[in-house]
Amino acid sequence: SAVISQKPSRDICQRGTSLTIQCQVDSQVTMMFWYRQQPGQSLTLIATANQGSEATYESGFVIDKFPISRPNLTFSTLTVSNMSPEDSSIYLCSVGHPGANVLTFGAGSRLTVL
Amino acid sequence: LAKTTQPISMDSYEGQEVNITCSHNNIATNDYITWYQQFPSQGPRFIIQGYKTKVTNEVASLFIPADRKSSTLSLPRFSLSDTAVYYCLVGDSNDYKLSFGAGTTVTVRA
Repeated sequence: SAVISQKPSRDICQRGTSLTIQCQVDSQVTMMFWYRQQPGQSLTLIATANQGSEATYESGFVIDKFPISRPNLTFSTLTVSNMSPEDSSIYLCSVGHPGANVLTFGAGSRLTVL
Repeated sequence: LAKTTQPISMDSYEGQEVNITCSHNNIATNDYITWYQQFPSQGPRFIIQGYKTKVTNEVASLFIPADRKSSTLSLPRFSLSDTAVYYCLVGDSNDYKLSFGAGTTVTVRA
């Protein structure tokens, strides 16, 4: 299965700032997704990162707050904009495997907003 | 996506077999049942997937009755390092937008 590297693994940020999380995959993948996991909670899908076009966002998530780039089939970024303490979460990148609804996840990026 | 119900938490002891049952009464004909494991500070990891009867791999076994309205994940010889959250998901092969429920936190007591 694919190997996913996420950077940063963790960061402490100030309110009102923005942070960009990078996701690098060791092979070309068609399907790439971004999830959020708030403290003590389960995972929630933010968006599907589409190569060459705008990301597809789930209900409750908007592009202005979570802009996503997907310049090629091995890389994507998620930006958390104008952060507030409520954005303190783990953000996870994942990739899908054709023919089976199985995802491989990165280790996640733990953001703490002060 | 079919909704799943599983216990919020379970206790186990080292060396015991752990069985986690998941209910999915509205499972569709094309749906598969997939289980993930998430250790603290890590992303979820695929454990096993099945459609019917029994599936076994090096990590776990998955038991699915004929009506497929439930499934049981069986993890043999649980150890302290197996303490994690276990998620049951249901969807067809094109459902990549996975919907994670609360999962079952299994705590191993020495």
